[in-house]
Amino acid sequence: NAGVMQNPRHLVRRRGQEARLRCSPMKGHSHVYWYRQLPEEGLKFMVYLQKENIIDESGMPKERFSAEFPKEGPSILRIQQVVRGDSAAYFCASSPRRDDYEQYFGPGTRLTVT
Amino acid sequence: DQQVKQNSPSLSVQEGRISILNCDYTNSMFDYFLWYKKYPAEGPTFLISISSIKDKNEDGRFTVFLNKSAKHLSLHIVPSQPGDSAVYFCAAPSGGFKTIFGAGTRLFVKA
Repeated sequence: NAGVMQNPRHLVRRRGQEARLRCSPMKGHSHVYWYRQLPEEGLKFMVYLQKENIIDESGMPKERFSAEFPKEGPSILRIQQVVRGDSAAYFCASSPRRDDYEQYFGPGTRLTVT
Repeated sequence: DQQVKQNSPSLSVQEGRISILNCDYTNSMFDYFLWYKKYPAEGPTFLISISSIKDKNEDGRFTVFLNKSAKHLSLHIVPSQPGDSAVYFCAAPSGGFKTIFGAGTRLFVKA
């Protein structure tokens, strides 16, 4: 049973470019969460999605960031016009049920903005 | 506003001894807590959890203690092994959807 998959593992973008981060949840999991980890900090919640629905995006910056989880395919976290402050590790997690507190994390995507 | 705090950035312990990792929280509405373990270049993995109706939960070498009046929990690892060297995050679900993480404590277990 494959775990949570994230790609790419490393992504380098120049300032002003777009970054697309992909996450495939574990089989049978329909709840996806995105977190961001800045250096020397804990993981910060960004957004919670179910298939075709954004449930809670209270942790997402108001501009340039968006997320989706289409009916088919992986969840996508999209960052437009990246800036140096977006450099971080972005982790995706999934769970089988909404009230399942334990989340299964992917290996993360490390975004570097030059 | 840090609702979950891990005040020790790092901890060094000799193999075979006990490791104690601490965590404090400010939100009295938290009713469930989790510890995650993270190796470099990997995502966090769930280690152990505790509900607020309990004050202790044990799983093999890992025990979590909860002191609700002090808003404090701790993770005990005994005996510590070199493979336990990792970053440990304390976490609490908030509002049903999001999980609030502490900043983590890096544990070094020396052989």
